[in-house]
Amino acid sequence: DVKVTQSSRYLVKRTGEKVFLECVQDMDHENMFWYRQDPGLGLRLIYFSYDVKMKEKGDIPEGYSVSREKKERFSLILESASTNQTSMYLCASSSMRYTEAFFGQGTRLTVV
Amino acid sequence: KQEVTQIPAALSVPEGENLVLNCSFTDSAIYNLQWFRQDPGKGLTSLLLIQSSQREQTSGRLNASLDKSSGRSTLYIAASQPGDSATYLCAVAGGTSYGKLTFGQGTILTVHP
Repeated sequence: DVKVTQSSRYLVKRTGEKVFLECVQDMDHENMFWYRQDPGLGLRLIYFSYDVKMKEKGDIPEGYSVSREKKERFSLILESASTNQTSMYLCASSSMRYTEAFFGQGTRLTVV
Repeated sequence: KQEVTQIPAALSVPEGENLVLNCSFTDSAIYNLQWFRQDPGKGLTSLLLIQSSQREQTSGRLNASLDKSSGRSTLYIAASQPGDSATYLCAVAGGTSYGKLTFGQGTILTVHP
């Protein structure tokens, strides 16, 4: 089975902190994604990566950056956490183009 | 810009009913369409993937169809059970960036005993 693992289920951080969300997949997938999910807004793409060290902005990249130094790992970085970044964050991976996306269990981030 | 709409937003049915969830999308130039299930506070579980060249996919009591030309997909659930209660999300991959998904808002399904 494909496994996408996010480092934390729940996180509480203070405003202004630098926050790292980690995601690891074990199926040698080329593509990795970070989404956030908010009530009434659905899932929105923050960033994605189609290869090591390659990244592209999604629909809502402001306030975020990403890092992909190894194929299996994709990190989302909140440079200076703000309360409007309180959300559920979901990581996903897929192999090549057009194939099935697999999601992690999600990280519920609260910024206070 | 691709837009995905799911109808109905919520559905409550008695156990044993057959039901249909609907998904429509505005840009028919898609690479695939995927149906997911999400339990409260959890991640997404992939249910079915339909490639753009396919018309339908089946897995157990689930059947998903795709009509690219009309921009529609349906998820059919046979003989519903209380354990089917969850949010069902439709997502399409397409556009200029491969593998990037655009999601609908979801259908919240409740199956009561």
